[in-house]
Amino acid sequence: QITLKESGPTLVKPTQILTLTCTFSGFSLSTSGVGVGWIRQPPGKALEWLAVIYWDDDKRYRPSLNNRLTIAKDTSKNQVVLIMTNMDPVDTATYYCAHRSSPHYFDYWGQGTLVTVSS
Amino acid sequence: EIVMTQSPATLSVSPGERVTLSCRASQSVSSNLAWYQQKPGQAPRLLIYGASTRATGIPARFSGSGSGTEFTLTISSLQSEDFAVYYCQQYNNWPLIFGGGTKVEIK
Repeated sequence: QITLKESGPTLVKPTQILTLTCTFSGFSLSTSGVGVGWIRQPPGKALEWLAVIYWDDDKRYRPSLNNRLTIAKDTSKNQVVLIMTNMDPVDTATYYCAHRSSPHYFDYWGQGTLVTVSS
Repeated sequence: EIVMTQSPATLSVSPGERVTLSCRASQSVSSNLAWYQQKPGQAPRLLIYGASTRATGIPARFSGSGSGTEFTLTISSLQSEDFAVYYCQQYNNWPLIFGGGTKVEIK
């Protein structure tokens, strides 16, 4: 049974760094073909893919946010971390992590965590 | 960057009706298209991948079709639990792109 859960701050100030952790079970990021992605959703708006990391440490980022995003994995802890710098109020959203199924869609999702950016 | 356009934005439907949702890509994505359902306060749920393959546990009333730039999600007979927002996602090219969504509401 695959499960994922996001954790991190619910409130960050503008210009601060956001660090979110996805803790998962039911699969291993050391297994060939496995990947974990991050997707966000501003309140009342559509889904927006942010980044994905694979078992071989390959990473892909949304180009428009590429210079602000870092994704990393800790295989021993079954965790994936997303770091987003220079947070702005427009980054207020629910952030989801999800298990990536080959090739690149998401078949299991975490419950999401709402991050508000405000001074 | 590929643009995914979903139409209509909102669809008012009565239970039992047949529903057809559209997703159009700005360039060909082959059959690399997924559909998700999202209910209020919940995470998205994968319905369809490969444009037409139902995900595990998805009822047969959900079907997907299309290839290239034009895709359709059909719900053969809408049930009360199907009122939700539906998103398409292309995964043929980077970046991965979701459509703007179609809200299916009770008429």
